[in-house]
Amino acid sequence: NAGVMQNPRHLVRRRGQEARLRCSPMKGHSHVYWYRQLPEEGLKFMVYLQKENIIDESGMPKERFSAEFPKEGPSILRIQQVVRGDSAAYFCASSRGLAGDGTQYFGPGTRLTVL
Amino acid sequence: GENVEQHPSTLSVQEGDSAVIKCTYSDSASNYFPWYKQELGKRPQLIIDIRSNVGEKKDQRIAVTLNKTAKHFSLHITETQPEDSAVYFCAAIPSGYALNFGKGTSLLVTP
Repeated sequence: NAGVMQNPRHLVRRRGQEARLRCSPMKGHSHVYWYRQLPEEGLKFMVYLQKENIIDESGMPKERFSAEFPKEGPSILRIQQVVRGDSAAYFCASSRGLAGDGTQYFGPGTRLTVL
Repeated sequence: GENVEQHPSTLSVQEGDSAVIKCTYSDSASNYFPWYKQELGKRPQLIIDIRSNVGEKKDQRIAVTLNKTAKHFSLHITETQPEDSAVYFCAAIPSGYALNFGKGTSLLVTP
């Protein structure tokens, strides 16, 4: 009964490179959420996806960030041309239904360091 | 949008004592209030949640209370143990799905 899976767990990139973060939701969950956690801060919502659809990306920067959740395979959060300010822990969560009806369970996170 | 305030930011208690963490929210439409525990370098783990139609919920040593009129909710941990040491986050969902988190409370339980 695997929980939410994320990989890689740690990712180091140089400024200007691309970062790809992957998230596989819990079995039976079709809703995926991405959050960003800066050091010693709370988590901030970025984007909410269902299979093949972005439902809400209001928390995601308009430039350089994109997300997808294809019909097959994990959800991907992509950051192009990374900058030092992108260094953070990125957590994915999944739920069976909407969070008002379905609890969100978190993955172990990807810790991105931009040199 | 929803704004969740959490206090205190740090809390130190002796083993066996109780710990209380308080949160307030701004959006009266919020209807779901989970609490997450995060140990250093690990994922946030749901420890308890409460929905707006309930005033109190208890699970062993952990309880949550909700006052919708005052728009605040609290986490109570009784008989604290050193393994309760972690950062605790409250959250609220206005209508929809995005969890709005407080900034966290770092709880230290000393033996």
